[in-house]
Amino acid sequence: GGIITQTPKFLIGQEGQKLTLKCQQNFNHDTMYWYRQDSGKGLRLIYYSITENDLQKGDLSEGYDASREKKSSFSLTVTSAQKNEMAVFLCASSQGKNTEVFFGKGTRLTVV
Amino acid sequence: GEKVEQHESTLSVREGDSAVINCTYTDTASSYFPWYKQEAGKSLHFVIDIRSNVDRKQSQRLIVLLDKKAKRFSLHITATQPEDSAIYFCAARDYGNEKITFGAGTKLTIKP
Repeated sequence: GGIITQTPKFLIGQEGQKLTLKCQQNFNHDTMYWYRQDSGKGLRLIYYSITENDLQKGDLSEGYDASREKKSSFSLTVTSAQKNEMAVFLCASSQGKNTEVFFGKGTRLTVV
Repeated sequence: GEKVEQHESTLSVREGDSAVINCTYTDTASSYFPWYKQEAGKSLHFVIDIRSNVDRKQSQRLIVLLDKKAKRFSLHITATQPEDSAIYFCAARDYGNEKITFGAGTKLTIKP
Protein backbone atom coordinates (compact mmCIF):
# COMPACT_ATOMS: atom_id res chain seq x y z
CA GLY A 1 0.00 0.00 0.00
CA GLY A 2 0.89 3.61 -0.20
CA ILE A 3 -0.06 6.96 1.17
CA ILE A 4 -0.62 10.50 -0.01
CA THR A 5 0.63 13.15 2.38
CA GLN A 6 -0.61 16.70 2.14
CA THR A 7 1.00 19.56 4.01
CA PRO A 8 -0.02 21.63 5.78
CA LYS A 9 -3.30 20.24 7.08
CA PHE A 10 -4.59 23.74 7.81
CA LEU A 11 -3.39 26.88 6.06
CA ILE A 12 -4.36 30.39 7.05
CA GLY A 13 -3.35 33.19 4.77
CA GLN A 14 -4.09 36.84 4.21
CA GLU A 15 -5.97 38.15 1.25
CA GLY A 16 -3.58 38.74 -1.64
CA GLN A 17 -0.92 36.44 -0.21
CA LYS A 18 0.83 33.77 -2.27
CA LEU A 19 0.38 30.37 -0.65
CA THR A 20 1.79 26.94 -1.48
CA LEU A 21 0.26 23.56 -0.75
CA LYS A 22 2.37 20.42 -0.98
CA CYS A 23 1.59 16.82 -1.79
CA GLN A 24 3.75 13.69 -1.70
CA GLN A 25 2.81 10.16 -2.77
CA ASN A 26 4.75 6.94 -2.33
CA PHE A 27 2.63 4.79 -4.65
CA ASN A 28 5.03 5.53 -7.52
CA HIS A 29 2.00 6.68 -9.49
CA ASP A 30 2.43 8.53 -12.76
CA THR A 31 -0.61 10.81 -12.55
CA MET A 32 -1.34 13.34 -9.83
CA TYR A 33 -4.26 15.73 -9.35
CA TRP A 34 -5.28 18.80 -7.40
CA TYR A 35 -8.98 19.26 -6.68
CA ARG A 36 -10.80 21.95 -4.78
CA GLN A 37 -13.78 20.92 -2.67
CA ASP A 38 -16.28 23.60 -1.77
CA SER A 39 -19.16 22.74 0.48
CA GLY A 40 -22.09 21.48 -1.60
CA LYS A 41 -20.24 21.84 -4.89
CA GLY A 42 -18.37 18.60 -5.21
CA LEU A 43 -14.81 18.48 -6.49
CA ARG A 44 -13.43 20.72 -9.19
CA LEU A 45 -10.20 19.93 -10.97
CA ILE A 46 -7.53 22.61 -10.75
CA TYR A 47 -4.48 20.95 -12.32
CA TYR A 48 -3.28 17.47 -13.10
CA SER A 49 0.01 15.99 -14.24
CA ILE A 50 0.60 12.73 -16.08
CA THR A 51 4.35 12.57 -15.47
CA GLU A 52 7.24 14.49 -13.98
CA ASN A 53 7.37 18.07 -15.31
CA ASP A 54 4.02 17.72 -17.06
CA LEU A 55 1.13 20.08 -16.24
CA GLN A 56 -2.42 20.03 -17.55
CA LYS A 57 -5.02 22.65 -16.70
CA GLY A 58 -8.31 21.64 -15.18
CA ASP A 59 -11.56 23.58 -15.11
CA LEU A 60 -10.49 25.86 -12.27
CA SER A 61 -6.84 26.68 -13.02
CA GLU A 62 -7.14 30.47 -13.08
CA GLY A 63 -5.50 31.94 -10.00
CA TYR A 64 -3.37 28.85 -9.40
CA ASP A 65 0.02 27.52 -10.46
CA ALA A 66 1.28 23.98 -10.07
CA SER A 67 4.62 22.25 -10.17
CA ARG A 68 5.63 18.60 -10.67
CA GLU A 69 9.39 18.59 -10.27
CA LYS A 70 9.53 15.00 -9.09
CA LYS A 71 7.35 12.00 -9.80
CA SER A 72 6.44 11.73 -6.13
CA SER A 73 5.47 15.33 -5.48
CA PHE A 74 2.99 17.83 -6.82
CA SER A 75 2.64 21.30 -5.37
CA LEU A 76 -0.10 23.88 -5.85
CA THR A 77 0.34 27.63 -5.45
CA VAL A 78 -2.50 30.04 -4.86
CA THR A 79 -1.08 33.09 -6.58
CA SER A 80 -3.17 35.69 -4.72
CA ALA A 81 -5.46 34.31 -2.03
CA GLN A 82 -9.05 35.53 -2.08
CA LYS A 83 -11.70 35.15 0.59
CA ASN A 84 -14.05 33.35 -1.79
CA GLU A 85 -11.63 30.50 -2.29
CA MET A 86 -11.70 29.16 1.22
CA ALA A 87 -12.10 25.45 0.66
CA VAL A 88 -10.50 22.07 1.14
CA PHE A 89 -7.83 21.24 -1.42
CA LEU A 90 -7.44 17.56 -2.20
CA CYS A 91 -4.43 15.96 -3.81
CA ALA A 92 -4.85 12.61 -5.53
CA SER A 93 -2.85 10.14 -7.62
CA SER A 94 -3.41 7.18 -9.89
CA GLN A 95 -1.31 4.79 -11.93
CA GLY A 96 -3.00 5.57 -15.22
CA LYS A 97 -6.16 5.34 -17.27
CA ASN A 98 -9.06 3.49 -15.75
CA THR A 99 -7.35 2.80 -12.46
CA GLU A 100 -8.34 3.75 -8.96
CA VAL A 101 -7.56 7.26 -7.79
CA PHE A 102 -6.27 7.63 -4.24
CA PHE A 103 -6.86 10.82 -2.27
CA GLY A 104 -4.95 12.61 0.42
CA LYS A 105 -6.64 13.95 3.55
CA GLY A 106 -6.74 17.52 2.30
CA THR A 107 -5.52 20.99 3.17
CA ARG A 108 -8.15 23.36 4.54
CA LEU A 109 -7.48 26.90 3.38
CA THR A 110 -8.79 29.89 5.31
CA VAL A 111 -8.24 33.40 3.99
CA VAL A 112 -8.50 36.29 6.43
CA GLY B 1 -15.46 19.39 -21.59
CA GLU B 2 -17.17 16.64 -19.68
CA LYS B 3 -19.92 17.56 -17.22
CA VAL B 4 -21.24 15.13 -14.64
CA GLU B 5 -24.55 15.77 -12.98
CA GLN B 6 -25.54 14.00 -9.81
CA HIS B 7 -29.28 14.14 -9.47
CA GLU B 8 -29.87 13.66 -5.80
CA SER B 9 -28.12 16.08 -3.47
CA THR B 10 -29.54 14.27 -0.43
CA LEU B 11 -31.08 10.86 0.03
CA SER B 12 -32.53 9.23 3.10
CA VAL B 13 -33.48 5.55 3.33
CA ARG B 14 -34.40 3.16 6.11
CA GLU B 15 -31.80 0.68 7.25
CA GLY B 16 -32.17 -2.51 5.23
CA ASP B 17 -33.76 -0.79 2.23
CA SER B 18 -31.94 -0.07 -1.03
CA ALA B 19 -30.52 3.31 -2.00
CA VAL B 20 -30.07 4.47 -5.58
CA ILE B 21 -27.94 7.41 -6.70
CA ASN B 22 -28.17 8.56 -10.30
CA CYS B 23 -25.65 10.41 -12.45
CA THR B 24 -25.58 11.61 -16.04
CA TYR B 25 -22.62 12.67 -18.16
CA THR B 26 -22.25 14.62 -21.38
CA ASP B 27 -19.23 13.29 -23.24
CA THR B 28 -19.94 10.15 -25.28
CA ALA B 29 -16.21 9.43 -25.31
CA SER B 30 -16.04 8.89 -21.55
CA SER B 31 -15.27 5.28 -20.79
CA TYR B 32 -14.60 4.89 -17.08
CA PHE B 33 -17.00 5.69 -14.26
CA PRO B 34 -15.81 5.40 -10.65
CA TRP B 35 -17.70 6.04 -7.43
CA TYR B 36 -16.20 7.46 -4.26
CA LYS B 37 -17.40 7.66 -0.68
CA GLN B 38 -16.59 10.43 1.77
CA GLU B 39 -17.39 9.86 5.42
CA ALA B 40 -17.78 12.78 7.77
CA GLY B 41 -14.51 14.60 8.31
CA LYS B 42 -12.56 12.27 6.04
CA SER B 43 -11.23 12.25 2.51
CA LEU B 44 -12.62 10.32 -0.42
CA HIS B 45 -12.06 6.65 -0.97
CA PHE B 46 -12.89 4.47 -3.93
CA VAL B 47 -15.87 2.12 -3.68
CA ILE B 48 -16.59 0.70 -7.13
CA ASP B 49 -16.17 1.49 -10.81
CA ILE B 50 -17.53 0.44 -14.17
CA ARG B 51 -15.96 0.55 -17.61
CA SER B 52 -17.86 1.25 -20.79
CA ASN B 53 -17.48 -2.29 -22.13
CA VAL B 54 -20.02 -3.60 -19.57
CA ASP B 55 -23.39 -2.37 -18.38
CA ARG B 56 -23.47 -3.89 -14.91
CA LYS B 57 -21.00 -4.58 -12.16
CA GLN B 58 -21.54 -5.86 -8.64
CA SER B 59 -19.30 -5.92 -5.61
CA GLN B 60 -21.04 -7.35 -2.55
CA ARG B 61 -23.90 -4.94 -1.73
CA LEU B 62 -22.92 -2.40 -4.41
CA ILE B 63 -24.24 -2.54 -7.96
CA VAL B 64 -23.34 -0.08 -10.70
CA LEU B 65 -25.43 0.17 -13.86
CA LEU B 66 -24.33 1.97 -17.02
CA ASP B 67 -26.64 3.04 -19.84
CA LYS B 68 -24.37 4.42 -22.55
CA LYS B 69 -27.22 5.40 -24.84
CA ALA B 70 -28.76 7.61 -22.19
CA LYS B 71 -25.34 8.61 -20.82
CA ARG B 72 -26.50 7.63 -17.39
CA PHE B 73 -25.04 5.52 -14.61
CA SER B 74 -26.24 4.68 -11.16
CA LEU B 75 -25.06 3.24 -7.85
CA HIS B 76 -27.35 0.85 -6.03
CA ILE B 77 -26.62 0.03 -2.41
CA THR B 78 -28.66 -2.95 -1.25
CA ALA B 79 -29.50 -3.93 2.35
CA THR B 80 -28.23 -0.57 3.61
CA GLN B 81 -26.43 -0.33 6.94
CA PRO B 82 -25.70 2.67 9.20
CA GLU B 83 -22.08 2.71 8.04
CA ASP B 84 -23.28 3.42 4.50
CA SER B 85 -24.15 6.96 5.61
CA ALA B 86 -21.74 9.26 3.77
CA ILE B 87 -21.44 11.54 0.75
CA TYR B 88 -21.13 9.59 -2.50
CA PHE B 89 -19.52 11.07 -5.59
CA CYS B 90 -19.83 9.77 -9.11
CA ALA B 91 -17.20 10.61 -11.70
CA ALA B 92 -16.37 10.14 -15.35
CA ARG B 93 -12.98 9.88 -16.99
CA ASP B 94 -12.34 11.08 -20.52
CA TYR B 95 -11.27 8.39 -22.96
CA GLY B 96 -8.35 10.27 -24.41
CA ASN B 97 -6.75 11.65 -21.26
CA GLU B 98 -6.42 11.33 -17.51
CA LYS B 99 -8.90 14.01 -16.57
CA ILE B 100 -11.62 12.92 -14.11
CA THR B 101 -14.74 15.01 -13.63
CA PHE B 102 -16.81 14.59 -10.46
CA GLY B 103 -20.46 15.13 -9.68
CA ALA B 104 -21.51 17.40 -6.83
CA GLY B 105 -22.10 14.55 -4.39
CA THR B 106 -25.11 12.90 -2.75
CA LYS B 107 -25.41 12.90 1.01
CA LEU B 108 -26.88 9.53 1.96
CA THR B 109 -28.42 9.09 5.39
CA ILE B 110 -29.47 5.67 6.66
CA LYS B 111 -32.28 5.94 9.19
CA PRO B 112 -32.65 3.27 11.88
